[in-house]
Amino acid sequence: GQQVMQIPQYQHVQEGEDFTTYCNSSTTLSNIQWYKQRPGGHPVFLIQLVKSGEVKKQKRLTFQFGEAKKNSSLHITATQTTDVGTYFCAAKTSYDKVIFGPGTSLSVIP
Amino acid sequence: NAGVTQTPKFRVLKTGQSMTLLCAQDMNHEYMYWYRQDPGMGLRLIHYSVGEGTTAKGEVPDGYNVSRLKKQNFLLGLESAAPSQTSVYFCASSYGSSSKQFFGPGTRLTVL
Repeated sequence: GQQVMQIPQYQHVQEGEDFTTYCNSSTTLSNIQWYKQRPGGHPVFLIQLVKSGEVKKQKRLTFQFGEAKKNSSLHITATQTTDVGTYFCAAKTSYDKVIFGPGTSLSVIP
Repeated sequence: NAGVTQTPKFRVLKTGQSMTLLCAQDMNHEYMYWYRQDPGMGLRLIHYSVGEGTTAKGEVPDGYNVSRLKKQNFLLGLESAAPSQTSVYFCASSYGSSSKQFFGPGTRLTVL
């Protein structure tokens, strides 16, 4: 069945370094959403991508949807300690199901 | 506007006991979801509802039942709890199937 993979599973960075997480699907997606979960908290919606090749920015965060609509990435420029958490992609297929990836856990060393 | 609330926040059960988790939303959302979150597994969908009176199975429905008698409430039941059901349970709601999901604060359940 449908699978959504995320890499890496964990990432430790020095504060100020950049960070990227990748989300890959085995099938073409209708859209993809990204969520952030702080330690001990609940997932919070960040953004949704719908169009092939779409790029969206939120301050230091850049989100990209692949041309084939099978993959996506989240890039954080110059990480800060407030970026700590787990980042999930959520992929929506044409069958109206949303599948969450396993997440990438980001640690930022001050 | 409380968003999505969950009751209780924590619970410890013995194997074989039953319990119901309550989720409530005040955003008039049609869609509601129950997920479980285990380390390294992300969020796995247990059951979901596309409107009042409807429910459907998700990825991991076995051992759970749900009901959506009122639009604002979505109940998750464990009839006979097992240690494998030890997890953090999140409820979420959304306006539509493609809309962003709003999550509740979670319920941490331990089954001994």
